[in-house]
Amino acid sequence: QQQVKQSPQSLIVQKGGISIINCAYENTAFDYFPWYQQFPGKGPALLIAIRPDVSEKKEGRFTISFNKSAKQFSLHIMDSQPGDSATYFCAASIGGSYIPTFGRGTSLIVHP
Amino acid sequence: GAVVSQHPSRVICKSGTSVKIECRSLDFQATTMFWYRQFPKQSLMLMATSNEGSKATYEQGVEKDKFLINHASLTLSTLTVTSAHPEDSSFYICSARDLGSGTYGYTFGSGTRLTVV
Repeated sequence: QQQVKQSPQSLIVQKGGISIINCAYENTAFDYFPWYQQFPGKGPALLIAIRPDVSEKKEGRFTISFNKSAKQFSLHIMDSQPGDSATYFCAASIGGSYIPTFGRGTSLIVHP
Repeated sequence: GAVVSQHPSRVICKSGTSVKIECRSLDFQATTMFWYRQFPKQSLMLMATSNEGSKATYEQGVEKDKFLINHASLTLSTLTVTSAHPEDSSFYICSARDLGSGTYGYTFGSGTRLTVV
């Protein structure tokens, strides 16, 4: 049973375009939603995160949109760059331990 | 920010031997660390929770006698893959959270690529 569903599995975007990755969850107890970025051969790194009390969070070119009623959240990468090419994982966690439950990941390729 | 160091980054071992992987929190203390396994093009699978000063907690389906975890100090956890076989070849990653940072995200090590030949 996949608790966090992520799509698409892969994404190809031209340089300067917008990359959008979507995630959905079922467990309403989740109260922290981070996104991790992973480059080949490296561990994931926390990119940006949101709590359910806000609908949007922006950090530079990265924005999380959160829809609590739909139990969905998404990552938008504006002005995508070749250096953004990586695998992105959405996650959800419950307060206390905040151990992340990961989505399956999205492989993003940004063509120059 | 919080830093988690993992060594070695790559290891090749012969079938039947044991391999130890170290995970250190460099600038914070971690009473709990986590070990993940990741297959190519797949998500991270939580293997076990490493608890300082007590036994590790293993996820369902993970052989505790195969994957020995020791958390001897507040900054060091080790994962030993015992009697390794080719099917144990994978990317192993540790993580921890700096409880004093005020954030809820986890910091991951750089991972260890294990190849059993």
